[in-house]
Amino acid sequence: GNSVTQMEGPVTLSEEAFLTINCTYTATGYPSLFWYVQYPGEGLQLLLKATKADDKGSNKGFEATYRKETTSFHLEKGSVQVSDSAVYFCALSKIQGAQKLVFGQGTRLTINP
Amino acid sequence: KAGVTQTPRYLIKTRGQQVTLSCSPISGHRSVSWYQQTPGQGLQFLFEYFSETQRNKGNFPGRFSGRQFSNSRSEMNVSTLELGDSALYLCASSWDRGLGTDTQYFGPGTRLTVL
Repeated sequence: GNSVTQMEGPVTLSEEAFLTINCTYTATGYPSLFWYVQYPGEGLQLLLKATKADDKGSNKGFEATYRKETTSFHLEKGSVQVSDSAVYFCALSKIQGAQKLVFGQGTRLTINP
Repeated sequence: KAGVTQTPRYLIKTRGQQVTLSCSPISGHRSVSWYQQTPGQGLQFLFEYFSETQRNKGNFPGRFSGRQFSNSRSEMNVSTLELGDSALYLCASSWDRGLGTDTQYFGPGTRLTVL
């Protein structure tokens, strides 16, 4: 079946550090890939998405490239801020004719000033 | 444009009771999906509704049910509550072009505590 595996957390970095959160997936065919972020006490917010191989999604300084050859969609940011502290979820959507997201387990990120 | 709204935001129930949660999608969105979020199991898909019909269902017992109204608003119901049903229940809506590529927009969730 379809699945998403994320890098184990929690991850703690200092402000202005480089961030990478690894995400790999298992799916037949060509899923769409997403990164969502969840701040404390809130629902999920879409951070970025990519719908086909080699697409790069980007938003708020975050980037991720859809790599079909390595079945990966790693999240990166060049210089993190304290306000980036949150839980990040990688997800895929595969089923045509239905909206269903399969999520990774989430990675808690803490940025220290 | 208003986002996805969920009511109530917090609920406390006791075992054996039933509960109904409500979700109002973004105006114009036709698909509504429900997810359960727990520390142990993470985010799991419950079901999806489109045009008042359940289109897809996750691996949850029959105690979990839902429906969608003609205005796309959706409700989910959990009967005979168990302690393990304590979770954050998230609703998401999307335009739906039937391709699985549409972005789902999430509400703030309903925090259910079962005592």
